[in-house]
This record gives sequence, structure tokens and C-alpha cells, in this order.
Amino acid sequence: DQQVKQNSPSLSVQEGRISILNCDYTNSMFDYFLWYKKYPAEGPTFLISISSIKDKNEDGRFTVFLNKSAKHLSLHIVPSQPGDSAVYFCAARDNTDKLIFGTGTRLQVFP
Amino acid sequence: DAGITQSPRHKVTETGTPVTLRCHQTENHRYMYWYRQDPGHGLRLIHYSYGVKDTDKGEVSDGYSVSRSKTEDFLLTLESATSSQTSVYFCATSGEIFTGELFFGEGSRLTVL
Repeated sequence: DQQVKQNSPSLSVQEGRISILNCDYTNSMFDYFLWYKKYPAEGPTFLISISSIKDKNEDGRFTVFLNKSAKHLSLHIVPSQPGDSAVYFCAARDNTDKLIFGTGTRLQVFP
Repeated sequence: DAGITQSPRHKVTETGTPVTLRCHQTENHRYMYWYRQDPGHGLRLIHYSYGVKDTDKGEVSDGYSVSRSKTEDFLLTLESATSSQTSVYFCATSGEIFTGELFFGEGSRLTVL
């Protein structure tokens, strides 16, 4: 059973516009959430995180929102740039300190 | 950059043969992990280690074993490879205080024919 779900396998956005990537989870014991970015033929790299005690965290063009009641988080990228084209994974930390990853969303930013 | 190198980066093997993937880190990180990435499944944890000789199973550990005899090396072994183990394997590490942030290697693509 998938505890962390990314229901959109792909997303296409025009350069300069906002990209919104979504993630849903089922386990209310998750206490920390992260987003990773992955380019082809490379390992994932950490992008941004949020603790379950917060509802928003911002880092430059990237903002993560957490809605605990809905068990939903989202990543906003504003403005989107062609270099943002990658696969994005959301992840959640469980009560044994392991990360559970979603299936990923492939973002394409076109000119 | 946590200085993580994986070897081999690419391997093609036949069903039933043993395979060992190596992960080497230079950051003296305590925690090390092996994940596999498959379409439709994202990244799934195979095994992890929280110190030398201390390892535990992840969510997809069947058919895999690991060993960690030194802080810097974490080996993943497929005793008898099957086609279902065709995948991209990633090693990851994290430091003493686990914040959830992992540092990943570049991956090892394994094809089992």
C-alpha cells in the first residue's frame, strides 16, 4: 500500500509560470516531509523540507505547503525555469526515521 | 556533495548469477541506505545501516543482503539475480543527526537477462 502518493506522473508548464506539484500521504505519524529533485542519470538531490509543526517553508523560488488535516503537501516553483525540468519526489519520514518516497512527478518547463 | 561513489555504474548479468554493488562514502556518515528506483514505484528502501555491522531490512529486502564492515563501505548483494531485480539502484547516506535529508550516489543500472 502506497503511503506517499504523487497522483500526477507528469506536468508541463510554461517558463515564467508557476509549477505546482502535489503529494498526498496516509500515515498521520509522519513528522517531516521533503522534496527531492532528480535529473536523468543522476542521483536525487534534496530540495526543500518542512516539519509537521509548520504549514509553509520557503526557499527562494521554492515553497512547500503542508495541510495536515488533508494529509497533503505541495511544492510551488515560481517562476518556473527550463532548468527546473526534472523528476520531483516527495518523501516523508516515519517514526523509525526512514524515508518513504512517492512515485515521482516529471516536470517539463517549456519556453 | 557527500562524496558518494557507486560501482559498477552499469552491469548486465544473467539470471541466477550473484551480483554485488558497492557504495563508498568519504563523509564519515553514520547512516547508509540502498534504494531501488522503478517506474510507477518511485524509490523503495531495500536495506539500511545505522553503523558498522548494524543493518536492517527495508520494504523490499527479499532477495537482497547487505554488509557493512567499514564506515565508508556498504555492499548490496543479490545472491541469485532474477529479472525482477532489473532496476536502478541508489546508495544514500545521512549524518549523525538524522534530519531526513539524504545524499545520494549517481546510481547503478542493473539489467538481469
